[in-house]
Parts: sequence; C-alpha cells; structure tokens
Amino acid sequence: DAGVIQSPRHEVTEMGQEVTLRCKPISGHDYLFWYRQTMMRGLELLIYFNNNVPIDDSGMPEDRFSAKMPNASFSTLKIQPSEPRDSAVYFCASSSGGQASNSPLHFGNGTRLTVT
Amino acid sequence: AQTVTQSQPEMSVQEAETVTLSCTYDTSESNYYLFWYKQPPSRQMILVIRQEAYKQQNATENRFSVNFQKAAKSFSLKISDSQLGDTAMYFCAFMKRVHGQNFVFGPGTRLSVLP
Repeated sequence: DAGVIQSPRHEVTEMGQEVTLRCKPISGHDYLFWYRQTMMRGLELLIYFNNNVPIDDSGMPEDRFSAKMPNASFSTLKIQPSEPRDSAVYFCASSSGGQASNSPLHFGNGTRLTVT
Repeated sequence: AQTVTQSQPEMSVQEAETVTLSCTYDTSESNYYLFWYKQPPSRQMILVIRQEAYKQQNATENRFSVNFQKAAKSFSLKISDSQLGDTAMYFCAFMKRVHGQNFVFGPGTRLSVLP
C-alpha cells in the first residue's frame, strides 16, 4: 500500500500564475478529500468526491479554485490565478466510505504552496 | 453543524511522563466516530486512535488511550510514557456515522515532549 501520493511536495509561484496540485488516492478508496491548512484557519475542507463525483464543494473559497477527478486514481486541484493569500499546505486524503463506515482518512504528505 | 473544540493550544510534558489532551465536541447525532490525528514537524497526518460512539469501552493503542465521555461530549487523549517522537500537533476529529462531509477537525494542540 503506497498510501496517498501528492505532488509536488513544494510549489513556489508568482501571483497570477496557474497552480495545479495532484493527488493519487489509495487504490480501492472511493472517497477523496482536499483540505487546506493554515495557521489562522486550521484544517479546512475544500471539496470531496465520492466515486469520482464532486459531492460538496462549499468549502472552495472562490471561483479561482477548481477540482477534478477524471478517474478513480487521480485528482487535481487548480488555482487560477493564484494570490499570496492562497499560500498554505494543501492535503489530499482518501477513505473507503459507505454507509456506517468507520474508515478514517488517509492523508498524503501535502503540498506546501507559496505564492509571492 | 458539528464543532470540535480543543481548549489547549499548547502543552508540554517531560519525557516518560503522562499527558492528557482535551477535546470536546458538539453534535446532535447519536452515532458517530471520533479520531485523534498526530502531525509531526514532517507535516504528515498520522492516525493515532479511533473511537466508535456506540462502544462504551475506551479505545487503546499501545501508549495511547482515550477517555470517552459520551454524555459530556468529551474525548481526551492520554499519552503514557511520553517519548521525544510524540512531539507534534494533535488534532481531534469527528465523523458522522453516515460517511460524508462531516469529518470535522479541531484547531489542534501543539505538544512538546521535553528531554
């Protein structure tokens, strides 16, 4: 089990540039979550998918953020255009959900994004 | 909506001693799960322990144990024989029994284990 794989581990970009973060969930997991972590706001859920379908994107801060899951083994989180306030650590997590599941979230190592 | 509160932003403990981290939550649900996650400086989020609300017995994982008080909506984590490697942020989390968006994290407690 390779765990949840995120790339890149670090990303430094200039304001206005497009940023794409990538995630490969654990094979067999049918839920995928994107979280953002900052000192001020802690861990915030941005969006989550079930069987590749976005279920709740109410945490996405604004239209500059978009997420896709074209298949069960890959998801992207895109920020266009990026702003300095987007600087944070972005985590992807997956779980094997379903009714009455107690499956915990399995997190990737996160991507630290710095927008200058 | 569910909320999770961790009232201790920072704590410290001497190596080999015992420390307890507090967590309270607010929910109207009767069936749910509670978790403690550890985030060391490497920033990896690591599951420490989980508790099912319908189980009265407190969960234990080696040196880690919980004190789950359902009526009080309290879920504290006790770390026995603290080790330097326990230095990390600790997050309490709540999940409704029906899986979905209700995986809510507390603000975290920064624990430092002192040599």
